This record gives sequence, structure tokens and C-alpha cells, in this order.
Amino acid sequence: EVQLVESGGGLVQPGGSLRLSCAASGFTFSRYEMNWVRQAPGEGLEWVSYISSSGNNIYHADSVKGRFTISRDNAKNSQYLQMNSLRAEDTAIYYCARSEGFWDPFDIWGQGTTVTVSS
Amino acid sequence: EIVLTQSPGTLSLSPGERATLSCRASQSISSSYLAWYQQKPGQAPRLLIYGASSRATGIPDRFSGSGSGTDFTLTISGLEPEDFAVYYCQQYSNSRTFGQGTKVEIK
Repeated sequence: EVQLVESGGGLVQPGGSLRLSCAASGFTFSRYEMNWVRQAPGEGLEWVSYISSSGNNIYHADSVKGRFTISRDNAKNSQYLQMNSLRAEDTAIYYCARSEGFWDPFDIWGQGTTVTVSS
Repeated sequence: EIVLTQSPGTLSLSPGERATLSCRASQSISSSYLAWYQQKPGQAPRLLIYGASSRATGIPDRFSGSGSGTDFTLTISGLEPEDFAVYYCQQYSNSRTFGQGTKVEIK
């Protein structure tokens, strides 16, 4: 079964850091591009970050640029999101999502992990 | 950044009725790089339509997409009970952005 499972969410104080993980199974992870998408409570979807299959190309939304870093380890079938200088507005469910290529939609999503930034 | 505006915000319909959802882009989306997703409460989004009009694997044919340029439509030809959900459009032509969503609720 094709599956993405996120982990690493939790409660963190403003200014703190958190590292999210996404474990893939059921497909050849190294052939796919990966993304992070977030959803604030009661709100819509916001794309956060993209990483190419090789890891050589990375893009981040302006709202997180300079604070968040996406990475992947194809040997471990996993991708990561390092989140620094967290703000209250980063509070959201963070989803891991797969795409076949840069010009492709997100065909597989994980169940999400919740990040709460609060003092 | 391409801004996507979905309308209406909420659609109140009865099972069996036809639902028509709109997604308008602030600038033309090249090669129809437009997708539609369905999200139910407590669940992750699910891909329905990509390339403006192609159904994703396993999606029933009551779901159809159309449009090009800046105006796109998702049509559900006869609402089933499981179709009541929130629907998002997404463009992947210039970075990635989502619309704010349309909630389809039971009338």
C-alpha cells in the first residue's frame, strides 16, 4: 500500500524549533518529488515547500523562506522539514504530499501532523 | 503569485442534485496545470482532477473538470452522500497556490 506517515509535531514556544519527518512506503521514493502543505485551524491549504527527487532543487513559500528547510534521505525513504524561529501563525496541520514531477499535482497525501506554536 | 478565487463559498444542495464549483485565477494558468481536491473533516485532501479535466485514479465519473486560461469548473453530476465535503482548486503552473475552498453541504 502506498503510504506517507508524518511525525514530529507538537507544542513549541514562539521562537523555537521543530523537525517534522515523513516516512514513505509502498513506492520507489527516490523517483518522486515531495512537498509539505499546511492547514491552519479552520482555514484552507497552503503549500509550504518542495524538493525534487534528487534533492538538488528546493523551493519554499515566501511565508517560511529563511526559517524552514526541506530535505530528504532517499536511503531512508524519508523527507524532513526543519522549522526554526517558529511563530504563532505557523500553527497548523502539516501534510506530506507526493508529486510525480514539478509540473504535477499532489497525488498521495499523509494524514498530517499537528504543530502548535504557543507560550 | 497566482491567486485563485473559488465561488461560491458554500453550496447547499440535496443528494442527487448537480453541483457546479468555480475557480478563477488572477492570471492565465499555462497548460491547464489546475487540480481539484476533496477534503472531508479530519482527513487529508484527496486528488480528484488534474490537468483541468483528467480524473485521478479511482475517481467516479460523476466528477468532471473543465476550463482553461483563468476560468475553471468542477462539476459533480449527481451528489452522493459521501460527496458533501470541502473542495479546493490548486494551480501548479507558477509555484503552487490553492483556492480558499468551497464547502458543499447538505440542504
